[in-house]
Amino acid sequence: AQSVTQPDIHITVSEGASLELRCNYSYGATPYLFWYVQSPGQGLQLLLKYFSGDTLVQGIKGFEAEFKRSQSSFNLRKPSVHWSDAAEYFCAVAPQYNNNDMRFGAGTRLTVKP
Amino acid sequence: DTAVSQTPKYLVTQMGNDKSIKCEQNLGHDTMYWYKQDSKKFLKIMFSYNNKELIINETVPNRFSPKSPDKAHLNLHINSLELGDSAVYFCASSQGGSGTGDSLLMSNQPQHFGDGTRLSIL
Repeated sequence: AQSVTQPDIHITVSEGASLELRCNYSYGATPYLFWYVQSPGQGLQLLLKYFSGDTLVQGIKGFEAEFKRSQSSFNLRKPSVHWSDAAEYFCAVAPQYNNNDMRFGAGTRLTVKP
Repeated sequence: DTAVSQTPKYLVTQMGNDKSIKCEQNLGHDTMYWYKQDSKKFLKIMFSYNNKELIINETVPNRFSPKSPDKAHLNLHINSLELGDSAVYFCASSQGGSGTGDSLLMSNQPQHFGDGTRLSIL
């Protein structure tokens, strides 16, 4: 079965600094990959997804992620963080042709310093 | 015009009680899910229904029973609530999946989540 690891439980960055959140997956083939964001007390909102094609994926709110098959990674990046980006970020993986079976990483909490 | 709506948003009850959480989606999706998020924010899938048919049933106590009256609704009923059931429960929906093991249709649509139901057991 597929699984996801987010090595960083908590990251703090200064407003305006760049951000990279790490995500590694384990799966026998190329999976579907997702990043979701959860603001306090809210549900999960999809930031971006990778299914196939271009390995650099653009998402909402200025986020992007790059799929690297050789490293089994799908890291999330943003060039300049805003205070409103403070939230919990979840990487998720699903087998190709079966997005029903999505598994989430443990999440990375992002704190933004003024 | 909320896409995936759950009720109630908060549920505080005593151990041993039976409670239900309702979920409705107006996206026309054919697949719905229940997830449990524990105090450490870990999200784990519990159930998945496709066109009212159960397709994923993770190892959860049989005190938890999903019910899908139609493909726009997936309710979660919990019997004999225990302290460990305290969590946030999320409903989600997506389009895709045939519901049968050997003929899953390709699906590349993401899941849409509700705002969660925070269940607290006293």
